Amino acid sequence: DTEVTQTPKHLVMGMTNKKSLKCEQHMGHRAMYWYKQKAKKPPELMFVYSYEKLSINESVPSRFSPECPNSSLLNLHLHALQPEDSALYLCASSQLAPETQYFGPGTRLLVL
Amino acid sequence: GENVEQHPSTLSVQEGDSAVIKCTYSDSASNYFPWYKQELGKRPQLIIDIRSNVGEKKDQRIAVTLNKTAKHFSLHITETQPEDSAVYFCAGNTGNQFYFGTGTSLTVIP
Repeated sequence: DTEVTQTPKHLVMGMTNKKSLKCEQHMGHRAMYWYKQKAKKPPELMFVYSYEKLSINESVPSRFSPECPNSSLLNLHLHALQPEDSALYLCASSQLAPETQYFGPGTRLLVL
Repeated sequence: GENVEQHPSTLSVQEGDSAVIKCTYSDSASNYFPWYKQELGKRPQLIIDIRSNVGEKKDQRIAVTLNKTAKHFSLHITETQPEDSAVYFCAGNTGNQFYFGTGTSLTVIP
């Protein structure tokens, strides 16, 4: 399996909702990432997990909460989001640096 | 951290012509430079990469060159085809953190 998968593909949520994004890879990669991408902009790094431990948090607001239950799974818990958080959320995985990052298809999030 | 600049932001070429996209980086410790292609509504996909111990790498119609002294690297696409139309992102690294350029929207005109 050479793919990174993400669910759901689309998500609409209100500002008071709690939801979670899920990411899975079965390539044996030990690093996993969350990116946020706005339209016509590059992916913007949010979090990095190495060996299931959070190694980098790029000053992301606490309404985004990452979790890495095991080496294959990565979650992003969302709570009290703002409309400006609407974006494409991409998950990626790689062997440890510096190696190619493989991206999932993303979750397109709309916050109303 | 790393700062990656990318030019041009948009590029239109006739089918069959060549396209060149250039990036500069700031962190002299960066040692891995991937290029990603992102089609509309799709995920970024790696098309080619280069490490700092190599000056040039080629894969069919795609090549990347790296000048470590000047801290810049370039993507070259020859014999462009309409399916090459997409947004291309370069990236530089600090460890396993990638810093992406701002992207180049390439349009290949049939």
